[in-house]
Amino acid sequence: GAVVSQHPSRVICKSGTSVKIECRSLDFQATTMFWYRQFPKQSLMLMATSNEGSKATYEQGVEKDKFLINHASLTLSTLTVTSAHPEDSSFYICSASSGTGLFFGSGTQLSVL
Amino acid sequence: QKEVEQDPGPLSVPEGAIVSLNCTYSNSAFQYFMWYRQYSRKGPELLMYTYSSGNKEDGRFTAQVDKSSKYISLFIRDSQPSDSATYLCAMRLARDSNYQLIWGAGTKLIIKP
Repeated sequence: GAVVSQHPSRVICKSGTSVKIECRSLDFQATTMFWYRQFPKQSLMLMATSNEGSKATYEQGVEKDKFLINHASLTLSTLTVTSAHPEDSSFYICSASSGTGLFFGSGTQLSVL
Repeated sequence: QKEVEQDPGPLSVPEGAIVSLNCTYSNSAFQYFMWYRQYSRKGPELLMYTYSSGNKEDGRFTAQVDKSSKYISLFIRDSQPSDSATYLCAMRLARDSNYQLIWGAGTKLIIKP
């Protein structure tokens, strides 16, 4: 299957700082990527849909100024958590659509102190 | 009522048993049905991908879709401890070209040696 690489896998930061998470499709081009958030023992919650070359589409209740998404190329989307607070601590996962399905990165565990 | 219902479990079975995981859904327009496996603190991994009704088999895994009952199943034969994970069902509309999925809550499966 297609490979999606997500970095970093784990990040710890201080409250008030910003954190950038990268999502790359390694062997295919992805015009659309998705960003999810997952709390312990819960399913995936879609945060936003990222389209190459255009603005991301955010789900209701997701602050677009806090969660900045950039999809500058067909193989890279980034999620920046700005001015992070402890309540932003969560597991963030990206996915990318290829012609054969939806493939996921390995996730990023964000801990805000 | 959620669009996709899935018992969160946990479901605990002995090694070698046949496992049956299920989801029900309410939107009859769903056409594509998927099962993902997610290990703790990892991104979901696509296991099975089915279009419309019918069965699909891949090794020890069999996916079934019954659109008349709005019911999908994943069977695992000869279950192994390494199958212990959370299994998520997902589905999407045929006209959704961006692969935006509707997710079940996930069932935690435990295979006891």
